[in-house]
Amino acid sequence: GQSLEQPSEVTAVEGAIVQINCTYQTSGFYGLSWYQQHDGGAPTFLSYNALDGLEETGRFSSFLSRSDSYGYLLLQELQMKDSASYFCAGFRAGNMLTFGGGTRLMVKP
Amino acid sequence: GAVVSQHPSRVICKSGTSVKIECRSLDFQATTMFWYRQFPKQSLMLMATSNEGSKATYEQGVEKDKFLINHASLTLSTLTVTSAHPEDSSFYICSASPGLANEQFFGPGTRLTVL
Repeated sequence: GQSLEQPSEVTAVEGAIVQINCTYQTSGFYGLSWYQQHDGGAPTFLSYNALDGLEETGRFSSFLSRSDSYGYLLLQELQMKDSASYFCAGFRAGNMLTFGGGTRLMVKP
Repeated sequence: GAVVSQHPSRVICKSGTSVKIECRSLDFQATTMFWYRQFPKQSLMLMATSNEGSKATYEQGVEKDKFLINHASLTLSTLTVTSAHPEDSSFYICSASPGLANEQFFGPGTRLTVL
């Protein structure tokens, strides 16, 4: 089977740094993506890791370790607008995505 | 670029009726389109994958006769929820892939409420 585990909720304050972890049990994932979803909205793409290591895109970075079946999303200089749900998702054959359960991030003043 | 639209954005219908949801890729050709369902505060669950001109591939547990998918062109896929019931009320989201690895672009979703 294929499953991705994430913490259900994380709370942090404005300006802080937060890390959202994702561990997965699967065969056949060839990359890990991260998506942001605000309430009532569609998922928006944040980052993708095909190889081990860190990918940085502005305030967001994502990390993957295939040997540990583990990845994380790092959000820096948190802003109130970053309050949303964040999903890790594994890409598998056929360009299909399997989503984790999602982490609800609440940013407080 | 890479814009995907869905119509309608919100629909309320009576139990037993059928509802059609359209998914369009506006500025690219989508070799593959995906349909997801998301219940409140839950993750996105893949329902089916459709390729233009061929039958959709449904995930385990998804009734193909209830959720009819048609991918008639490289820019349009439709999902029809037949004989809808209150338990079908959910957020339905499509995504489209231009065929390059690791790319899916999501539509804004359709909120279905069945009374």
